[in-house]
Amino acid sequence: GQNIDQPTEMTATEGAIVQINCTYQTSGFNGLFWYQQHAGEAPTFLSYNVLDGLEEKGRFSSFLSRSKGYSYLLLKELQMKDSASYLCAVTDSNYQLIWGAGTKLIIKP
Amino acid sequence: ETGVTQTPRHLVMGMTNKKSLKCEQHLGHNAMYWYKQSAKKPLELMFVYNFKEQTENNSVPSRFSPECPNSSHLFLHLHTLQPEDSALYLCASSHTRGEGGELFFGEGSRLTVL
Repeated sequence: GQNIDQPTEMTATEGAIVQINCTYQTSGFNGLFWYQQHAGEAPTFLSYNVLDGLEEKGRFSSFLSRSKGYSYLLLKELQMKDSASYLCAVTDSNYQLIWGAGTKLIIKP
Repeated sequence: ETGVTQTPRHLVMGMTNKKSLKCEQHLGHNAMYWYKQSAKKPLELMFVYNFKEQTENNSVPSRFSPECPNSSHLFLHLHTLQPEDSALYLCASSHTRGEGGELFFGEGSRLTVL
């Protein structure tokens, strides 16, 4: 079966750095997405990786290793507004999106 | 206009009621989706429409009935639901199904079945 694993919950301190990991086992691979979802709001697109390596976008970076079936989302200079759930999703060979259960990130002052 | 709009935002219904959820997208996309989101579980894809044609129905019970009159509007008709159907129902759109592009989500309709 197809599966995405990510931690259920993480806690970090304002101003610090946090890394949210995602591992996947899917039938083929056509890209990996990270979405951010604040409580009671729509998931919003953060990043997309299809090739190995690091993609940087401001305070957020996303890394992919296809050989290891592994990605991480790195958040720097954490702000209180970064408290949210972070969803990892992989597009398989049939362009089906396989979703992880999400990681709830709690930022403390 | 926001990209994807869902109404109502909150809905409480009894098991014998009939209600509908509405989704509208203003992005010119060709594909629209219904997802179910339950606490601590992955998003569950329910239905997909591509160019107004239903392309996927992921073994969803018949008490959920989708309708897509045009590429901008999507409905989810609900009848004789069960308490376990209580969840957040998210509508999403993308340029075209099968291209792998990002999804744009609405804020969801929070459904409670009593």
